[in-house]
Amino acid sequence: GEDVEQSLFLSVREGDSSVINCTYTDSSSTYLYWYKQEPGAGLQLLTYIFSNMDMKQDQRLTVLLNKKDKHLSLRIADTQTGDSAIYFCAESTGGYQKVTFGTGTKLQVIP
Amino acid sequence: DTAVSQTPKYLVTQMGNDKSIKCEQNLGHDTMYWYKQDSKKFLKIMFSYNNKELIINETVPNRFSPKSPDKAHLNLHINSLELGDSAVYFCASSQVGRGVIETQYFGPGTRLLVL
Repeated sequence: GEDVEQSLFLSVREGDSSVINCTYTDSSSTYLYWYKQEPGAGLQLLTYIFSNMDMKQDQRLTVLLNKKDKHLSLRIADTQTGDSAIYFCAESTGGYQKVTFGTGTKLQVIP
Repeated sequence: DTAVSQTPKYLVTQMGNDKSIKCEQNLGHDTMYWYKQDSKKFLKIMFSYNNKELIINETVPNRFSPKSPDKAHLNLHINSLELGDSAVYFCASSQVGRGVIETQYFGPGTRLLVL
């Protein structure tokens, strides 16, 4: 079955870059996503990448995908206190297949 | 206008009771989901409905029964509540299809506490 793992916690100083890592096991994953969950709220899609891409940049966010190693990362440049949240990676094979979420990484930004 | 709404936001109840959580989406999506997030923030899919048809049914006790009266609504009824059912339940919706990025839009969650 699918398995998506992340480190549980990351602490960075405001202004530094954050890198959140994720590994997945389903080699047929087509879509990979990063979601953000702020305290007391639902998940919000930040960005996504197709499995045939290596990198995607969206303002302060950079997604890197190493399909061979089944490794996905999210880099947040110039991390702000408002970036403090739990970040979930997720994967899916598309269509009616379920989206499997990772275990979540809690990002703490120290002022 | 709220895209995905859930009621109630908080639910505190006694063990053994039966309760329902309602979800509505006004995005015109054809697929809706229920997720359970436990105290460690692990998020697990429970059910998925596409056009009122059950698509995904993970290993969930049959005390949990989803009902989709139409594409815009997916309700969750829970019988004989147990302590372990305490969690945050999230509803989500998406549009599924070829070439469509399946962004799932999440509701604000229903925090269920079983005493």
